[in-house]
Amino acid sequence: ENVLTQSPPTLSLSPGERATLSCRASQSVSSYIAWYQHKPGQAPRLLIYDTSNRATGIPARFSGGGSGTDFTLTISSLEPEDFAVYYCHQRNDLPPYTFGLGTRLEI
Amino acid sequence: QVQLQESGPRLVKPSETLSLTCTVSGSSISSPYYWGWIRQTPGRGLEWFGSIYHSGSTYYNPSFMGRMTISIDTSKNQFSLRLTSVTAADTAVYYCARDDLVRTNALDLWGQGIMVSVSS
Repeated sequence: ENVLTQSPPTLSLSPGERATLSCRASQSVSSYIAWYQHKPGQAPRLLIYDTSNRATGIPARFSGGGSGTDFTLTISSLEPEDFAVYYCHQRNDLPPYTFGLGTRLEI
Repeated sequence: QVQLQESGPRLVKPSETLSLTCTVSGSSISSPYYWGWIRQTPGRGLEWFGSIYHSGSTYYNPSFMGRMTISIDTSKNQFSLRLTSVTAADTAVYYCARDDLVRTNALDLWGQGIMVSVSS
């Protein structure tokens, strides 16, 4: 099973600051990494797919990068609504498709 | 607007079977997407169970094979998860999601989730 390790577990920042979240895979996932945003009581929301493609309706302040085993999600200038938990998810080759344990982005 | 909504019992006894249904509204379940189940526990985080196509074709997480079945009812625009021989470790929030294998290769739309507890 391909284990995804997200860091840091918690990131404390202020609105307007830049956030960089990391996701490291135990085996290469090519470019098949997605990122989700999750707020309490809400459905998780797809932000980024295939490493760097923004999903429909996602603001340009969200960007993704990386390849192989190391990936990042960057939020260029935090808005108040961006404070949430973020998960990476790999969909390379055969199942099981795994998730990271998340990074909590807090004010 | 496409929406997914999970439903089912919120309390299941140990050794019994957990059965959940996801109702899709705003779109036909026969559209070219897979439909999947995921759960979230405090200890293991998010776990993907598997996904199903309207034809009945499935792909599963091997960790749950033998204990899990995903089925689809196109006449009701619903798909379901069945998990047998549950234990306290199966207590979790269960989500259904649309699985876009073709364009995004990601779970591009999720339900809000349903909390299911396993307890006697």
